[in-house]
Amino acid sequence: EDQVTQSPEALRLQEGESSSLNCSYTVSGLRGLFWYRQDPGKGPEFLFTLYSAGEEKEKERLKATLTKKESFLHITAPKPEDSATYLCAVQATYGQNFVFGPGTRLSVLP
Amino acid sequence: NAGVTQTPKFRILKIGQSMTLQCTQDMNHNYMYWYRQDPGMGLKLIYYSVGAGITDKGEVPNGYNVSRSTTEDFPLRLELAAPSQTSVYFCASSYTGQYSGANVLTFGAGSRLTVL
Repeated sequence: EDQVTQSPEALRLQEGESSSLNCSYTVSGLRGLFWYRQDPGKGPEFLFTLYSAGEEKEKERLKATLTKKESFLHITAPKPEDSATYLCAVQATYGQNFVFGPGTRLSVLP
Repeated sequence: NAGVTQTPKFRILKIGQSMTLQCTQDMNHNYMYWYRQDPGMGLKLIYYSVGAGITDKGEVPNGYNVSRSTTEDFPLRLELAAPSQTSVYFCASSYTGQYSGANVLTFGAGSRLTVL
């Protein structure tokens, strides 16, 4: 069964304090691993797709990396506006479903 | 472009009532999905559609029904509402072609449903 877990459940950082969020996954065949950002009361917003181990993608203060079992979302020098819940999801090579993790709730304090 | 639009944003139902959550997209996406999101849980797929006239069950379809008569619209019907259906519902869409890679989902803003 395909599964996605995320850690930590919640993370509180001071502005400028870099850290990483973890996404561990098991899937029989990976079509893609996704990172989404979700603000309170809104729908998830797409950040990155990663396709194969070793791949990295960056956007502003965010950098996503992928191994065969995990993905990390590195946040460098975060700002309060980076506060949100970050969701990880995988899509298998078969079928159309996405398996989502429960998310990491990030708070960046000024 | 509006993207994915969901209505209503909030609704309170009594046990046994029925209602329809509306979803429409203006991106000409062929795939559409309905997810529910409960606290501490990942998004769970209720139903999805690969095109007009074609729908299929996801992980948690019991108590729900869908139809897809047009490319743009994908309503979710709740029959005989139960407290277990209290949740936030998200509609999403994506484009998948014959040689597409992984699908990127575009989500609506969500519909918060409470069943009392």
